[in-house]
Amino acid sequence: GNSVTQMEGPVTLSEEAFLTINCTYTATGYPSLFWYVQYPGEGLQLLLKATKADDKGSNKGFEATYRKETTSFHLEKGSVQVSDSAVYFCALSPSNDYKLSFGAGTTVTVRA
Amino acid sequence: NAGVTQTPKFRILKIGQSMTLQCTQDMNHNYMYWYRQDPGMGLKLIYYSVGAGITDKGEVPNGYNVSRSTTEDFPLRLELAAPSQTSVYFCASSYETELSNQPQHFGDGTRLSIL
Repeated sequence: GNSVTQMEGPVTLSEEAFLTINCTYTATGYPSLFWYVQYPGEGLQLLLKATKADDKGSNKGFEATYRKETTSFHLEKGSVQVSDSAVYFCALSPSNDYKLSFGAGTTVTVRA
Repeated sequence: NAGVTQTPKFRILKIGQSMTLQCTQDMNHNYMYWYRQDPGMGLKLIYYSVGAGITDKGEVPNGYNVSRSTTEDFPLRLELAAPSQTSVYFCASSYETELSNQPQHFGDGTRLSIL
């Protein structure tokens, strides 16, 4: 079946530090890959997505590249801010389906 | 710009009580979903709907029911609340076509405690 594994948190960083959250997946075919972000007390919001191998999704300074050879979609940001404190979810949608499979989420706290 | 609206935001139920979690969207999305979010577990799909009058089970449907009488509304019903249903519930919607997977839009969630 389809599954997503992402690095466990929580992750605590200082402002301007580099952030990486690892995400690997298991799926047949060519799934679409997503990163969603959940700010405190809110629902999930789409952060970025990639729909085919070697695509790079980017938004708000975050980037992730769809690596089919390593079945990975790691999220990176070069210089985090306090406002980036949130829970980040990696997710996939199979090529023949629209339902999402989510990772467990990684809580990121950025300190001033 | 309401998007996906869920009510109530918080609720405490006693074991055995019933309730309906409301969800409405104003984006004319054809697909709607209900998830539950448990600590450290990500989101699990409870039920989904691909259009008015059509619903189907997700990963964890037991203890829940849904209906989709209109495009806008997708209520989730708990008939006999159990402590295992304590969770945060999220409703989402998307506009799906045959061309590509579209992002889902989420409501702010309903935090439900069963005591």
